[in-house]
Amino acid sequence: EPEVTQTPSHQVTQMGQEVILRCVPISNHLYFYWYRQILGQKVEFLVSFYNNEISEKSEIFDDQFSVERPDGSNFTLKIRSTKLEDSAMYFCASLGAPIPDTDTQYFGPGTRLTVL
Amino acid sequence: KQEVTQIPAALSVPEGENLVLNCSFTDSAIYNLQWFRQDPGKGLTSLLLIQSSQREQTSGRLNASLDKSSGRSTLYIAASQPGDSATYLCAVYPGTYKYIFGTGTRLKVLA
Repeated sequence: EPEVTQTPSHQVTQMGQEVILRCVPISNHLYFYWYRQILGQKVEFLVSFYNNEISEKSEIFDDQFSVERPDGSNFTLKIRSTKLEDSAMYFCASLGAPIPDTDTQYFGPGTRLTVL
Repeated sequence: KQEVTQIPAALSVPEGENLVLNCSFTDSAIYNLQWFRQDPGKGLTSLLLIQSSQREQTSGRLNASLDKSSGRSTLYIAASQPGDSATYLCAVYPGTYKYIFGTGTRLKVLA
């Protein structure tokens, strides 16, 4: 069964460093998402991406964050200058249906980001 | 603004019990609702997806129901096992490109 994959599974970085979290969505899916979950808190939406541009972003997704689909398979989340409060589990998701309302988002296993 | 609440926040039951987890949402205008399982420090495993036109979905010992008009969903777990111990998350899709998650119910099934 096709699945969303994410690398790395755990990333440790120093405050102020840039990190790139990578996701490989399900092949031929069209919509891509990033969510995050701070330890003990809700899963929160960060950004959605379709047709090579951001469809929607939350207030969390400030100028420190960017997303990119550098090739036909990868979808990345970049944090330019990490802060302690960026420590969280980051989930990638993808959706295939041409109309988002008729299908479900498939979630990856997550990348745990630890900022020291 | 859509809010999703899950009650109880934590639940501890002896093995073999049938149990019900509750999810409520404030805006009934949703396209679907999904239940996930999350083990400690791990990712999200999709359990059941209910479209807005459906009333319930079943998978094995799991049954999820949806009452859109009252803003409620329940996840019923039959004959609970220690392996069911995890956090169960409810998420609604209001059709605005994102799922909105509840805070989860932390379930512990005692052997």
